[in-house]
Amino acid sequence: DAGVIQSPRHEVTEMGQEVTLRCKPISGHNSLFWYRQTMMRGLELLIYFNNNVPIDDSGMPEDRFSAKMPNASFSTLKIQPSEPRDSAVYFCASSLAGGARSPLHFGNGTRLTVT
Amino acid sequence: GESVGLHLPTLSVQEGDNSIINCAYSNSASDYFIWYKQESGKGPQFIIDIRSNMDKRQGQRVTVLLNKTVKHLSLQIAATQPGDSAVYFCADNAGGTSYGKLTFGQGTILTVHP
Repeated sequence: DAGVIQSPRHEVTEMGQEVTLRCKPISGHNSLFWYRQTMMRGLELLIYFNNNVPIDDSGMPEDRFSAKMPNASFSTLKIQPSEPRDSAVYFCASSLAGGARSPLHFGNGTRLTVT
Repeated sequence: GESVGLHLPTLSVQEGDNSIINCAYSNSASDYFIWYKQESGKGPQFIIDIRSNMDKRQGQRVTVLLNKTVKHLSLQIAATQPGDSAVYFCADNAGGTSYGKLTFGQGTILTVHP
């Protein structure tokens, strides 16, 4: 079981640049979640998808943030333009929703630093 | 889970002791609860979950207890080992229908001394 795969593991960029984070969920899972972790706010849900469709994006902080899921095995989270306050660890997670639900499984995250 | 603060609760135990990590949740409509372990540089790792129709669930060396009356959740780790040292998070589904849309607690740092 490969688990949830995220790339890159680390990203350092300058303010104003575009950042794209990538995620491959566990094969067979139909729900995908993007979380952000900071020391100040802990783990917060940004957005989640069911069957590739965005269901709840109420956690997305601003219009600078966008997420897509073009197919069942790939999702991106984009920040454009990036700001220093976006510095955090971004986690992707996946699960099986529906009758045979499974717990949420996380990737190892992308540590983003915006200078 | 409760809101986040800068200073995480800590628990320090000796190897072989039993550990109990506590968590309070705020949403009485929550019906799904889950514990995660997070080691440095890694994502949260699933430990055990429980639904509100149960008050106890056991796994390998871990037990989760749920007290809905006082909105309290605990994780018990038997015979704690140095490899159990990590930050432990509780989470709940905050009354929603999704088991992935979770509200996380602030976390507890567990340190196990050999």
